[in-house]
Amino acid sequence: AQSVAQPEDQVNVAEGNPLTVKCTYSVSGNPYLFWYVQYPNRGLQFLLKYITGDNLVKGSYGFEAEFNKSQTSFHLKKPSALVSDSALYFCAVRDEDTGRRALTFGSGTRLQVQP
Amino acid sequence: DVKVTQSSRYLVKRTGEKVFLECVQDMDHENMFWYRQDPGLGLRLIYFSYDVKMKEKGDIPEGYSVSREKKERFSLILESASTNQTSMYLCASGRDRGPYEQYFGPGTRLTVT
Repeated sequence: AQSVAQPEDQVNVAEGNPLTVKCTYSVSGNPYLFWYVQYPNRGLQFLLKYITGDNLVKGSYGFEAEFNKSQTSFHLKKPSALVSDSALYFCAVRDEDTGRRALTFGSGTRLQVQP
Repeated sequence: DVKVTQSSRYLVKRTGEKVFLECVQDMDHENMFWYRQDPGLGLRLIYFSYDVKMKEKGDIPEGYSVSREKKERFSLILESASTNQTSMYLCASGRDRGPYEQYFGPGTRLTVT
């Protein structure tokens, strides 16, 4: 079975500092990995994905993520945080080898950027 | 832009009522999904559909059913609402053969009293 772990319920960072939101995954086959962001009272917005190729992927709003196969991780990063980045972030995985079409989501990490 | 709409943003229903949540997507996606979101639990899959009239149970299907009579529309049905079904319900759609990201509606916050 596939699973995703987001070990931090909340991450606090000062505006202008780099941020990292952690994600580790478990799949039996090849992972397709995703990050989504949710602003208050809104649905989820797609940020970026890793399917294949370069381990560093770039996405919307200046976010990037690094796929690390040996550590089964896909951490979300941004060089300089903005107050407007404060939101709930979800990591998700799809195990292509199982044929399961749906994504499996982590429990979410709340990012708080202080001015 | 992909657009996924949900029929209601907020709903309040009484225990035992039949509840319909509707979702419409405008991008001709094959796959449609219903998730529920609860604090600390992330998103959990209730049901999904990969074609008209086709459906598969997700991880937490008990107490729910679904209907997909047209490709663009996917309905979630609570046959007899219970208080433990109070939650945020999110609909999503996506292509079957890539790109693989899903696109989400704004959500329906359902309260069962």
